[in-house]
Amino acid sequence: LAKTTQPISMDSYEGQEVNITCSHNNIATNDYITWYQQFPSQGPRFIIQGYKTKVTNEVASLFIPADRKSSTLSLPRVSLSDTAVYYCLTFSGGYNKLIFGAGTRLAVHP
Amino acid sequence: SAVISQKPSRDICQRGTSLTIQCQVDSQVTMMFWYRQQPGQSLTLIATANQGSEATYESGFVIDKFPISRPNLTFSTLTVSNMSPEDSSIYLCSVVGGDNQPQHFGDGTRLSIL
Repeated sequence: LAKTTQPISMDSYEGQEVNITCSHNNIATNDYITWYQQFPSQGPRFIIQGYKTKVTNEVASLFIPADRKSSTLSLPRVSLSDTAVYYCLTFSGGYNKLIFGAGTRLAVHP
Repeated sequence: SAVISQKPSRDICQRGTSLTIQCQVDSQVTMMFWYRQQPGQSLTLIATANQGSEATYESGFVIDKFPISRPNLTFSTLTVSNMSPEDSSIYLCSVVGGDNQPQHFGDGTRLSIL
């Protein structure tokens, strides 16, 4: 499992696009990249997962360059309700064990 | 995604006692995990709950302190034994439906030890 590094905190304003970049230099060939969101008093909620290039769903986009040593979670037009902690993780396909880092505390301001 | 129910959602316990936390899923899952989240901290993996066999514990966690059962593909329990105030945490269950599938988490059990 690759160690991930992401900013401790970020600030944004309502309506802006937020990009959170995560570094995973030692990612293995069969590792996936996954992102979670956590609100206080709730368990982490799965946002998006990918292996390479770009993945998009109704909530976010995930950009993964060809070398896969980093990834960027893009949240379009954030609102106050997007204030949360965001975790970037890698996991080995077939085992799914997750090791959480400190995450990024995103604060969205009016 | 699977619906995960944890019971109890919170409890206040006396030092030296034990508490069993239940995790019930509404569909069969391949893997179940238990995590701990101390106040203001990130999640720490305690163990992988293996169906029909002993759980696989992470470094720093032992079976005597955190016995885990997983009798079938939809249910698991975590017991926190001989509790001390340092065990005050949120304990979370997570499940995986299949290979390369994301983990989904319950909302946790908030445990306070007096």
